[in-house]
Amino acid sequence: EADIYQTPRYLVIGTGKKITLECSQTMGHDKMYWYQQDPGMELHLIHYSYGVNSTEKGDLSSESTVSRIRTEHFPLTLESARPSHTSQYLCASSEFGQGAPEAFFGQGTRLTVV
Amino acid sequence: DQQVKQNSPSLSVQEGRISILNCDYTNSMFDYFLWYKKYPAEGPTFLISISSIKDKNEDGRFTVFLNKSAKHLSLHIVPSQPGDSAVYFCAASEGSGTYKYIFGTGTRLKVLA
Repeated sequence: EADIYQTPRYLVIGTGKKITLECSQTMGHDKMYWYQQDPGMELHLIHYSYGVNSTEKGDLSSESTVSRIRTEHFPLTLESARPSHTSQYLCASSEFGQGAPEAFFGQGTRLTVV
Repeated sequence: DQQVKQNSPSLSVQEGRISILNCDYTNSMFDYFLWYKKYPAEGPTFLISISSIKDKNEDGRFTVFLNKSAKHLSLHIVPSQPGDSAVYFCAASEGSGTYKYIFGTGTRLKVLA
């Protein structure tokens, strides 16, 4: 069973607010990812990290930012939420390159900006 | 341009029969392919993977077949059960490169009791 946790599960917030989506994993994985998914669409990679102090932008441009100060923690921040940010945000981790190829996902955060 | 494509948005299968989900890709540098199952408002759950050097991998009721020359893979579920009803995503990754996972758009499988 994967040990990767996202909080909150659901968030409804007003336009202009700053939000941080939390993601933590206890598997010691060095690689972590943030994906964004809208209903009926593919998962789009918005950020990834190869380890502490490593962050890269993904294939889909995003106004969010991430940090990786500790191996187990990979939070995503939106400085000023807008209705266009309404989506499901999925965090994942893997040991790809040093172990099995699969990524493990958290439960996701469903964000609604009103 | 989408590198991983799932051209069937939905599939309905009778309980006990075989479900076949298909996936095509364009990037010959992918060296791992994965299948995930996803319920609404949940994160994807890993099902099975296959290395590009293999053509088949089996795990219980799930078998993945890879045809590198056609750049095509498929997931077979036998026998299909009502609990298998979910959205199935195909994903691909360059293990020796960026370690990023590229996902298809998913196929919604409905297994009818």
